[in-house]
Amino acid sequence: KAGVTQTPRYLIKTRGQQVTLSCSPISGHRSVSWYQQTPGQGLQFLFEYFSETQRNKGNFPGRFSGRQFSNSRSEMNVSTLELGDSALYLCASSYTGGAGDTQYFGPGTRLTVL
Amino acid sequence: QQQVKQSPQSLIVQKGGISIINCAYENTAFDYFPWYQQFPGKGPALLIAIRPDVSEKKEGRFTISFNKSAKQFSLHIMDSQPGDSATYFCAASMRGGYQKVTFGTGTKLQVIP
Repeated sequence: KAGVTQTPRYLIKTRGQQVTLSCSPISGHRSVSWYQQTPGQGLQFLFEYFSETQRNKGNFPGRFSGRQFSNSRSEMNVSTLELGDSALYLCASSYTGGAGDTQYFGPGTRLTVL
Repeated sequence: QQQVKQSPQSLIVQKGGISIINCAYENTAFDYFPWYQQFPGKGPALLIAIRPDVSEKKEGRFTISFNKSAKQFSLHIMDSQPGDSATYFCAASMRGGYQKVTFGTGTKLQVIP
C-alpha cells in the first residue's frame, strides 16, 4: 500500500506570498492532520479533517487554512507568508482520526520563506 | 496544561546500552500516549503506544513505562543499536481529540559503536 505523499517536497517563497501544500493520504484513510515542525517549537498541530470537515484546530493564526476533498486528499494554504513560517509541514493520515488510531506521516514539505 | 515535557534533548549511548527518554504531562484528560521515531528527511513513524490503564508495554527492544499518579512515562530502548539513531518524540492525545496530538520537544539519540 502506498504511503502518505506530500507535494511539493521543497518550496522557497518570499514574505507576503501565499503557498498551497498538498497531501494524498493512504488509500482508505479518511482523516488527514497537518503539523508544523520547527527546531524551536517542535511538532505543532495545525488542523484535522475528516470527510471534508475540519474537526479540530490548533493555535495558529487564520493565515493558515486547509481543506479536504471528497477523495480525502487535503491541501493547506498559508497566506501572507512570514519569515517565521519557515518549517517542515507534515501531513498524517489515519482511518478514522480517533485518539488511538495510528497516524501515518508523509515525508513533509520543507517551506523556506525569504 | 496541554504541554508534554520531554527530556533529555539529546542522548549518546554506547551500542548495546540502554537508552532512556522521559516525558511528563499535566492534562489528566490525555488517555493515549504514543512514541514516534523520526529519521532525517522522513516523517515521524509510530514506534509504540500505551494507554494509562497499563503500567508497562513491551515490543521487542522497546518498552514504555507509565506512571499514572506521577503523570510520567518513559521509553526504554534495550540493546541500543546504531540503527536506532534518530529523533524520538513522545506524544499524548485525548479521547475525542480527533488526532489533536500534543508532541514532546524530541530527543536526538545517537548510538555509537
